[in-house]
This record gives sequence, C-alpha cells and structure tokens, in this order.
Amino acid sequence: AQSVTQLDSQVPVFEEAPVELRCNYSSSVSVYLFWYVQYPNQGLQLLLKYLSGSTLVESINGFEAEFNKSQTSFHLRKPSVHISDTAEYFCAVASGGYQKVTFGTGTKLQVIP
Amino acid sequence: GAGVSQSPRYKVAKRGQDVALRCDPISGHVSLFWYQQALGQGPEFLTYFQNEAQLDKSGLPSDRFFAERPEGSVSTLKIQRTQQEDSAVYLCASTLGTRQNEKLFFGSGTQLSVL
Repeated sequence: AQSVTQLDSQVPVFEEAPVELRCNYSSSVSVYLFWYVQYPNQGLQLLLKYLSGSTLVESINGFEAEFNKSQTSFHLRKPSVHISDTAEYFCAVASGGYQKVTFGTGTKLQVIP
Repeated sequence: GAGVSQSPRYKVAKRGQDVALRCDPISGHVSLFWYQQALGQGPEFLTYFQNEAQLDKSGLPSDRFFAERPEGSVSTLKIQRTQQEDSAVYLCASTLGTRQNEKLFFGSGTQLSVL
C-alpha cells in the first residue's frame, strides 16, 4: 500500500519570502513522486516529478523538490514566492506497478503582498 | 480536443436520484482515471480504464457507482440512488500511455451536490 502525508493544510507566506511545503510518503517498494498544483478556478496540473536519477528536480517556474529516500520525503521549495504562486499544492505517489496515483490532502499556499 | 473535458461542470441532485457524469479525454489517450475529491481532501482514486477495459475499480465506494468507457474514448461515471455523502468534485484524468510515471492530464471536474 502507498500513502502520502501533507501535514500543513495552509501555509501563509509573504511575497518574495522562501517557502517549503512538506510531503512524506509511505511505500514498501520503489516510487515515483509528483507535485501537482491547482490554481484558483483551474484543474490540477503537474508541477514536477521524480522518476529516478538526480534526487533534485526542478520546475520551469522556480520550484524544486528533493527526493530523500531515508526520510521518505519529497518536500517542495521555492526561494522567493510570487503572488501568482497562490494555489493548492498536492503531493502524490505511484508505486508497486499499480497505475493509480495516490494524492495527499493538499497544502494551500497563500502569498501575502 | 485540447484538454480533458468534463460535463456538467455543476450538478445538483436530490437524494435518491441517479446521475451521470461525462469525461472526454484527450484524443488518443489510452488511460483514463476517475477520482473523487471531497471538500478539504485530496483526490481519491475511484477507477482506471485502459482503452475500453476497466482494469481497476477498487476505489469505487459502493455498488451504486458504475463507470464505463465502451469505445475507449469518452467515459461515463454513473451514481445510482445518490446519497449526501456522494457530494464531492469528481475528477477525470487521462494519460497518453500506460506507464505509471506518466503525467496525468486533469479535467476541471464536476461538482456534485446531493441535497
């Protein structure tokens, strides 16, 4: 079985400040890890994913996430947030050969001007 | 089409009514998924199709829920005798192939409210 834990339901942060959104996963086998983002009034879309190789993955809009196998974590970070980053962020995992992706409960990032 | 299309966008049903939710995936996408997202929760897996074959329906909460994809493209999620606990956003997603590491393309969802 696979599961994802996002402990922070809401994270308020001032514009241009750094942010970290936490994600921990549970799986007994090798995993693929994802961050999806949902902007207001839009559908979920992929932000970045870890498949294999380098443990640090980056998105085109400045977010990065690091796969840490020993801590079973895949935290999402950005050194300086913009108002446009205000959205809900979902961590997700796929493992064990099963097609289905398991999502966390989401973290709402609120960027304060 | 350009993206995954779901209809209707909003559906209000009286308890006990049957509803049908439609998903039109990206043309040529082999895999199709249905998810249920309750308020304040993440998407929960319901079922998975590979072309017209329903390979996994382990997430369907009861036998009132039924999904089909008869021609391997459009899919319908049907909920019979709706209950208040069925109120949620129902999301459809598709992927080009069948690998588990592929990017899911989501529709905007159908928000179902059961009164």
